[in-house]
Amino acid sequence: DAGVTQSPTHLIKTRGQHVTLRCSPISGHKSVSWYQQVLGQGPQFIFQYYEKEERGRGNFPDRFSARQFPNYSSELNVNALLLGDSALYLCASSPSLLGDYEQYFGPGTRLTVT
Amino acid sequence: AQSVTQLDSQVPVFEEAPVELRCNYSSSVSVYLFWYVQYPNQGLQLLLKYLSGSTLVKGINGFEAEFNKSQTSFHLRKPSVHISDTAEYFCAVRPLGGGYQKVTFGTGTKLQVIP
Repeated sequence: DAGVTQSPTHLIKTRGQHVTLRCSPISGHKSVSWYQQVLGQGPQFIFQYYEKEERGRGNFPDRFSARQFPNYSSELNVNALLLGDSALYLCASSPSLLGDYEQYFGPGTRLTVT
Repeated sequence: AQSVTQLDSQVPVFEEAPVELRCNYSSSVSVYLFWYVQYPNQGLQLLLKYLSGSTLVKGINGFEAEFNKSQTSFHLRKPSVHISDTAEYFCAVRPLGGGYQKVTFGTGTKLQVIP
């Protein structure tokens, strides 16, 4: 079975632009979470979606938004990009919202803002 | 809120030597505990997890970790490392319940295996 997939793998944007990152979860997984990993740091939680609803949000500005589609894939949108948004953006999926299910991570999208 | 501390940012070790990567956490509620590995330019891969039961947890690639509730620690160990273990290792916690799966990660420990 295919794992979590993310696109694109790399992206270069200019300050002030908008970016959309995409994630396809493992088949049968209904929950998708997004994380930001700045170079030299651990991943930071941004959002979790389950059954197309936002179920959790980390400490990120409103420039960050996301949505989940009926097929459980997800998009992360970032507006008015700043240099500090340069990071590896990781998507993780899990079968459910609660319980001891682990999260499976995709390879990430490397975003560079110049 | 939860926090995770990985005191060692880098750990050099010779091939075939044992290694311990330290992790301490803070939480006002019960948590699940995880160790992830990240190879260069890749995503995170789960090494092992502690949910409940035996405090000694065995994972993939010969790694194991021991949960110590009184010391709020979850140190990762391997008796004999290989060159292929060179990677960055992240300790993480997730609260039980809470309605969603916010995972809090440490800042990571880079393991460098020296031939």
